[in-house]
Amino acid sequence: DTAVSQTPKYLVTQMGNDKSIKCEQNLGHDTMYWYKQDSKKFLKIMFSYNNKELIINETVPNRFSPKSPDKAHLNLHINSLELGDSAVYFCASSQMFQGRSEQYFGPGTRLTVT
Amino acid sequence: QQQVKQSPQSLIVQKGGISIINCAYENTAFDYFPWYQQFPGKGPALLIAIRPDVSEKKEGRFTISFNKSAKQFSLHIMDSQPGDSATYFCAASMTLTGGGADGLTFGKGTHLIIQP
Repeated sequence: DTAVSQTPKYLVTQMGNDKSIKCEQNLGHDTMYWYKQDSKKFLKIMFSYNNKELIINETVPNRFSPKSPDKAHLNLHINSLELGDSAVYFCASSQMFQGRSEQYFGPGTRLTVT
Repeated sequence: QQQVKQSPQSLIVQKGGISIINCAYENTAFDYFPWYQQFPGKGPALLIAIRPDVSEKKEGRFTISFNKSAKQFSLHIMDSQPGDSATYFCAASMTLTGGGADGLTFGKGTHLIIQP
């Protein structure tokens, strides 16, 4: 029944490693997003992606890359992890309808880089 | 440059009182203004949203007031309950030229505590 799901919920890894976080939505939405929430709870958009375009927040390091195998999935791949990448990462999805685009968030993945 | 400014950072309200959280935005291209509620360890959950062609929207105990000329909007929680204790985020987004929705720009959040 979960609308937007993420795996894993927790991820602990060492600096320099490469890791991926998976996201799936069963809402039939055409746009998916990745957000980063830092230790002060500030939420910041990283990427938005639909079948037409990928929009990248210019502040996101190119070590981060979204990969979409199909419309229902948007995975986040991170290369050469750094201590500052420790945060909670949220996936979200939305669908434009009558001028409205309600975004629904997943439960988050807490990434800890040691 | 913070495009959406939210205040206060924290708020304590007595049970049954009115909780008021304010936000101001800078980008006039924003055309969608949602509020999200987040409990510890959970993802943000959409609470209520408004578009700039209306000045107020009410859903149950939650009301958004919107002032387009001042570029401000606020969330009012009537009859606040202990279960409302959470972090609240205002946000804004714009419709892209291709018709899709841009990512949300969030305020920094308000930690709300409702005292019994």
